[in-house]
Amino acid sequence: EADIYQTPRYLVIGTGKKITLECSQTMGHDKMYWYQQDPGMELHLIHYSYGVNSTEKGDLSSESTVSRIRTEHFPLTLESARPSHTSQYLCASSPKGQHRGGYTFGSGTRLTVV
Amino acid sequence: RKEVEQDPGPFNVPEGATVAFNCTYSNSASQSFFWYRQDCRKEPKLLMSVYSSGNEDGRFTAQLNRASQYISLLIRDSKLSDSATYLCVGIFSGGYNKLIFGAGTRLAVHP
Repeated sequence: EADIYQTPRYLVIGTGKKITLECSQTMGHDKMYWYQQDPGMELHLIHYSYGVNSTEKGDLSSESTVSRIRTEHFPLTLESARPSHTSQYLCASSPKGQHRGGYTFGSGTRLTVV
Repeated sequence: RKEVEQDPGPFNVPEGATVAFNCTYSNSASQSFFWYRQDCRKEPKLLMSVYSSGNEDGRFTAQLNRASQYISLLIRDSKLSDSATYLCVGIFSGGYNKLIFGAGTRLAVHP
């Protein structure tokens, strides 16, 4: 049973549209992350948050933006989707403190921009 | 140079074989390491943490060598269900304890 939920699971959308990828977790984790992964490639961190009203850009530059108004919710928004945004987006969370348990990932959103 | 490097494989092995993956890291200010497993088109899932003293979980053994800056994963008695990509992951000090993922090593176990 998943404790971190991402919707939609798949999204095909036209160029120029605004999209929001949803991520919610029920574990009360303070830290949340967005990773981008192209097929067969490594995960790249694009955004992270250490708590409410905290957001930072990750190691890979992204045109997307995020918000963290509630602990459990960490949506990612693309104001104007382009074909270069086609990828898989994975949300993850972790509790405060030492990472003994690693991260918990959502099932991901596979985005295709046509 | 990438912070975490892995041989991409694929490693093609028969059922029952023992297979070992290595991973090297460049940042000596490391904190913790993990092995994750990722099935095709699925999210990564934590396989096991890696401790300097070495740790075992059933058929899986992980080892960390801080002096040489490498991590290993040994899988004994491979099963068909072990076929997946294995991601070497580290947390490095400085910054916000973010996980840094290797590109992964692909394992294919055949009958």
